[in-house]
This record gives sequence, C-alpha cells and structure tokens, in this order.
Amino acid sequence: AQTVTQSQPEMSVQEAETVTLSCTYDTSENNYYLFWYKQPPSRQMILVIRQEAYKQQNATENRFSVNFQKAAKSFSLKISDSQLGDTAMYFCASTPSGYALNFGKGTSLLVTP
Amino acid sequence: SQTIHQWPATLVQPVGSPLSLECTVEGTSNPNLYWYRQAAGRGLQLLFYSVGIGQISSEVPQNLSASRPQDRQFILSSKKLLLSDSGFYLCAWSEGAGNTEAFFGQGTRLTVV
Repeated sequence: AQTVTQSQPEMSVQEAETVTLSCTYDTSENNYYLFWYKQPPSRQMILVIRQEAYKQQNATENRFSVNFQKAAKSFSLKISDSQLGDTAMYFCASTPSGYALNFGKGTSLLVTP
Repeated sequence: SQTIHQWPATLVQPVGSPLSLECTVEGTSNPNLYWYRQAAGRGLQLLFYSVGIGQISSEVPQNLSASRPQDRQFILSSKKLLLSDSGFYLCAWSEGAGNTEAFFGQGTRLTVV
C-alpha cells in the first residue's frame, strides 16, 4: 500500500518567521504528483501547492515553497513570513495510483503573534 | 468555473437509521469523484471513488455504500448507521486520470447517537 508520512503532529511558529513541515512518501511509480493541502478551522480543504515528480524544479506559490527530494522520497513545505491566517492543519498527499489522493495524518500548525 | 456542492453540512442521526449524503459537481464533464472520511485528529481515509456513471470502487470494507446515478452526482449511503460511522465526510472531484489535484466540498459532519 502507498503511504504518506507526516512525522510532526503539531508545530508552532511566530508571525513573520519561517517554518518547514516534513513529509515522506512511499511509491514504486515513476510518474506521480505530490500536494500540500491546508485545512483551516472551517474544515474546507484548500490546495496550497503541487509538484510533478518528473520536474526537478521545486514548486513555489508566493510564500509557500517545497523541497522535493525524489531519491529520498521527501516533500517538505516551507512557509515564509508566516501569517496568523496560516494557522491550520496541513496535509501532504500523493497520487501514485492515478485515481485518488493518499493523505498523511496531517500537521497542526499554530501561528502565534 | 467548476463548483462542488455537498449537503447537508451537519447531520445527527440515531444508530440504525439510514444515511444519504449527496454531492454534485458543476462546470465539468466526466469527473473522477471521491468520498473521504476524516475521523477526529486523523487524516483523510478514501472510502469510494468513481471514474464514471455506475462505476464505483470501494477502498475499505464497511457499513457504507456509494452510487453515481448521474455523471456529476455522487451519493454516500448506509442502510443502518453505526456509532463508528461518526466523522467528517468530504466529497471531492478531479479531472481525467486523477493525476491532478482534487477539489473538495465543504464537508458533512455526521454524528451518530
């Protein structure tokens, strides 16, 4: 079975600082996609960033960037200039099967003033 | 633009009662459709996915079933709810073969009493 592991159940960061959330995954596929989703208290799942495995360049979306290490099967999320609105659960996900996302258990991020 | 509607937002049902959660997608054709369950403090567990009308794949044996009577309609059902069916249910869709991001509905919080 494909697995996604997030080893940090909870993290906190001060406003304006940088934080990195970790994710590792297991797949035997050559072509797959990786995602980070954000789930704020409203519980709406929001896509933060995506990475195609065949692209070596790390994806970036404004304050959010990833460090994709394909050989190590690692996919960490860096949030720069953290804002109070970044407080949420963050889920790492992969699509090795091509049909459905496999999610990690999530990291609860708290941004403090 | 594409939108996804899921209802109801909140549901309290007695043990042994039936369940029907509905999800519809607008603005796209032949989407892949998914039902996920999120238990308290945990990640998202894939329950069912569908790549077309009448085509349902079940990921986890359980008390629930899914149906896709129309191209953009996905229904989650149960004949007799169990206490363990309580949780947060999310419907999602993606395009094509699924190697793209999934877009989620607002979710249904189900409490079985």
